[in-house]
Formats: sequence, C-alpha cells, structure tokens
Amino acid sequence: ETGVTQTPRHLVMGMTNKKSLKCEQHLGHNAMYWYKQSAKKPLELMFVYNFKEQTENNSVPSRFSPECPNSSHLFLHLHTLQPEDSALYLCASSHYQEIGNEQFFGPGTRLTVL
Amino acid sequence: AQSVSQHNHHVILSEAASLELGCNYSYGGTVNLFWYVQYPGQHLQLLLKYFSGDPLVKGIKGFEAEFIKSKFSFNLRKPSVQWSDTAEYFCAVNGPGFQKLVFGTGTRLLVSP
Repeated sequence: ETGVTQTPRHLVMGMTNKKSLKCEQHLGHNAMYWYKQSAKKPLELMFVYNFKEQTENNSVPSRFSPECPNSSHLFLHLHTLQPEDSALYLCASSHYQEIGNEQFFGPGTRLTVL
Repeated sequence: AQSVSQHNHHVILSEAASLELGCNYSYGGTVNLFWYVQYPGQHLQLLLKYFSGDPLVKGIKGFEAEFIKSKFSFNLRKPSVQWSDTAEYFCAVNGPGFQKLVFGTGTRLLVSP
C-alpha cells in the first residue's frame, strides 16, 4: 500500500453514462495528479493540482472533468466517453516542495467504455 | 518538449542472468530521474531515484542505476534477476518546475525459472 487509494478499481460504462473516479491520499501531500495508462503508450499526465488549484491540464478533452475539494481528495468526473477512453486511470500524490517531488501512485481504476 | 525513450519493449531472461534496461531522455537542464516498477496486478512503485550527488544510485531489491549526464542516460541494472522480478519497468524524468513527470513507454521483463 502506498497511502493512495482509488475507487472503484474496475468500472464499465456506456457512452451516455456519467460516472466519477475517486482518489484519496493519506500521506499529507499537497499535490495530486491524474494519469492515463493505455496499452503500448507512455503514461500520460492529464491534470495536476497544487494546494487544490489546477496547475496543469494536458489538453484533455472536456468529457473528463477533475475536481479537487481539498488536498487529500481528487475526483475525475466522466461523461459521454468514447471507447478509446478505455484505459487504466492512475492517481498520484506528492509533496510539491520536497526535493525531487517523488510521486506516489494508487492502484488505478480500470475503465472500460462500451 | 521532454521525452523519455526506453529502447527495449520486451526482455526475456533466465533466472540468474544479468539485466540492463536502457533509458534516455531529451531534456538538457537539471533533471530528476526515476525508475518505477509495476508487478502484475499491482500499483506503480518506486525502485530508485536520482536527484543529485553520486551518479550510481542503489534501489530496492538489488537494483541500481547509473546517471550519465553526457549521454542523457539513466540505465537500470541488476546483476542476477529472479523470477519475482517479472514486471513492467518505467523510466521517468521531471525537469523544469520538477512537477511534470514524463514517462517512457515501459519495458516488460519476463524472467523464466
């Protein structure tokens, strides 16, 4: 266990559904991240939050909507997704001011869009 | 933009063989370098990291990596692999601002008993 939890671990949804992914960190960190891991592609950074403020949006389509209500919780709201959005979505956290800014990852949510 | 290249996508070794996985990055400034491992069905976890100082860094489970600045490389090594090292290995770099981690495509290692 890394101190970063994600729910649900698996999610199947239709293209017209709305769902949310949840991430919680118990490490006292002040930065949180969403990544997308697809087969045969590098992990792609999607969003970065520092102190609850979004500081990076890596050209992510608007059908993905992040929310960070506090420094321990991060959500990814999903709506009208496409089959190509099927992937493993990883959450990570770090202490931004620490040297090197090492990131700790959760187990991921395996998303399948039908 | 920064990029990270891992040249070996799949590696198959027998137990006790030596391992070296290549990693090259494109950014020329100050960088922090990481190797992460993902065992089957498990989360990404840190193997080792380089921030500064001795360019030869030692990590968990007998792994080490050497930072060669002139070659923009951070290769991962282990003198004798075990079946339990079967996993996917990712090299990652963060540069300006030290927040955006850029990952390589990963190397899938299979160690046969």
